[in-house]
Amino acid sequence: DAKTTQPPSMDCAEGRAANLPCNHSTISGNEYVYWYRQIHSQGPQYIIHGLKNNETNEMASLIITEDRKSSTLILPHATLRDTAVYYCIVSFVLRGNKLVFGAGTILRVKS
Amino acid sequence: EPEVTQTPSHQVTQMGQEVILRCVPISNHLYFYWYRQILGQKVEFLVSFYNNEISEKSEIFDDQFSVERPDGSNFTLKIRSTKLEDSAMYFCASMLGGAGTEAFFGQGTRLTVV
Repeated sequence: DAKTTQPPSMDCAEGRAANLPCNHSTISGNEYVYWYRQIHSQGPQYIIHGLKNNETNEMASLIITEDRKSSTLILPHATLRDTAVYYCIVSFVLRGNKLVFGAGTILRVKS
Repeated sequence: EPEVTQTPSHQVTQMGQEVILRCVPISNHLYFYWYRQILGQKVEFLVSFYNNEISEKSEIFDDQFSVERPDGSNFTLKIRSTKLEDSAMYFCASMLGGAGTEAFFGQGTRLTVV
């Protein structure tokens, strides 16, 4: 699985968009980009994933660059409850390959 | 919405005792996983399970650990002869399978070995 690089921490004002970057320069053609988050010591929560195209769901948007070497998770209107560790993971899960968690980005949403 | 459920939420055990952590994956999922997270550290992969057998395991998953799916719904992690360093959050996850599908995690079991 390709490795990812994320900033260790970020701050965001409540109500503003939170843009979390991730570099994955060694991603291969069949690997997906997944985003999860973990609030306190709860189980990781799935947010969104994509292969090539930008994706949007009720939680967030995922922007993947054309060369697929980086991506950005966007939380459009961050709330205090979005304070968490956000993990960017690259994986090819066709045969149930594991997800490998790094250190992630600690996002602090402040009022 | 379907979810992965884990029991118990907190387990305290004495060193050397055996514990069984239980998970009910999402019903139509095919791939099952155990992860652990020692306090303040990363989420670490332990084992994956498919078609009633282990498909991959990490170096952490030694002979002290075993997994099984005894009845087609539950998925268990057994830790024999627990050690202090086994104290951690243990997360179960399940995935439907197929390209680009996502894994869903349970809320975890906090294991405390005293």
